[in-house]
This record gives sequence, C-alpha cells and structure tokens, in this order.
Amino acid sequence: DAGVIQSPRHEVTEMGQEVTLRCKPISGHDYLFWYRQTMMRGLELLIYFNNNVPIDDSGMPEDRFSAKMPNASFSTLKIQPSEPRDSAVYFCASSRATGYGYTFGSGTRLTVV
Amino acid sequence: SQQGEEDPQALSIQEGENATMNCSYKTSINNLQWYRQNSGRGLVHLILIRSNEREKHSGRLRVTLDTSKKSSSLLITASRAADTASYFCATGNRDDKIIFGKGTRLHILP
Repeated sequence: DAGVIQSPRHEVTEMGQEVTLRCKPISGHDYLFWYRQTMMRGLELLIYFNNNVPIDDSGMPEDRFSAKMPNASFSTLKIQPSEPRDSAVYFCASSRATGYGYTFGSGTRLTVV
Repeated sequence: SQQGEEDPQALSIQEGENATMNCSYKTSINNLQWYRQNSGRGLVHLILIRSNEREKHSGRLRVTLDTSKKSSSLLITASRAADTASYFCATGNRDDKIIFGKGTRLHILP
C-alpha cells in the first residue's frame, strides 16, 4: 500500500483565493482525519469521518473551511476565501478502526500571502 | 481537555544514551499512543498502549502507562542519530478521535 496520499505537497496562494487540499486514505481504513499543525497551536483536529460520514467538525475554525468525503478513497478540505492566518501544514490521516494507530500523509504546506 | 502534555519540551542527549519522555493527561482514557515526526514529514505511529496495560515494548522503545497518575513515559534505549525527531503522545477516549500534545523535540548528539 502506498500509504495516505496528500496533494499538493506545497501550496502558495493569495489571500482571498480558494484552496483545495486532497487526500487518499489507505484502502480499508474506515476513519479519516484532517489535522492542522502550526508552531503556536500544535496539532489541531479539524474534522473526522467514519465510513465517509462527517462525525465531528467541531475543530473547523470557521465557515470558510469545509470538508467532504464523497467516497471511501477520497476526501477534500477546502478553504474559501483563504487568509494569511490559515498558513499551516495540513495533515490527513486514516485509521482502521477505533483504538488503532493512525497513518499520516506527508502533509500539505499551505502559505497564504 | 484530555490533551496530553509532554515533558520535557526539548531534550539533547549523546548518541548511545537512553532518552526518556513523559506525557501527562487530565481525563480518563481508553488508550494512549506515541508518534514520531521527523522535520518536514508526517507523523509515524510508534506504539499504542491500552488503559488496562502497564507496559509495552517495541524494539528499542518501551512505553509505560500509569492510569492512577494519568501519565505515560516513552523510553528509547541506545539512542541513534536517526532518533532525532519530535515525539508526540496522543490520548484516545470513548469516541473515535485522539488528541495530540505539543511534543518533545529530541536531539541526539554525535
């Protein structure tokens, strides 16, 4: 298995633009998580899905953020409009089930200028 | 919050020495996990210990869990340069998510 695949690896965009981050989880993993990592806040859980259904989006900072999982092999995190304070590394992770370790992707480093 | 808090924030040791990192948390948990993150990379799962377990080993890693003290420790024996990384503990409760601490930055000196 190729692991959790995220794209793009790096994204630089201007304030106000729409940004879409993509994730392909490991086949057979029922859970998918989106995290954001910054120096100030560390790793923050944004949202997670179980069997493609959003379960907890309480970590999504604002309405500008949205996430979808149209099928078991694909998820997107969208920011519209983007702001400089959204600059961070965004990680996607998947897990087989509750009580199992997570497999993380390599992350997307987002810079909003 | 059930967020784990690692101690120390940073640690530098000589290659070959043992490294110990601690994690404390505030509420009851179902499991506690340790992850490693190399600079610029994603997190890698190291070991998971369940609330009814007290100790687990994986290669040079040893994890202990004391639920009465709400604390865990990660011991890396015979450290190597490749162990230089940040180490995070993450606590899992009855729901499906885990919450990460801020991490310990470990630097192995040659």
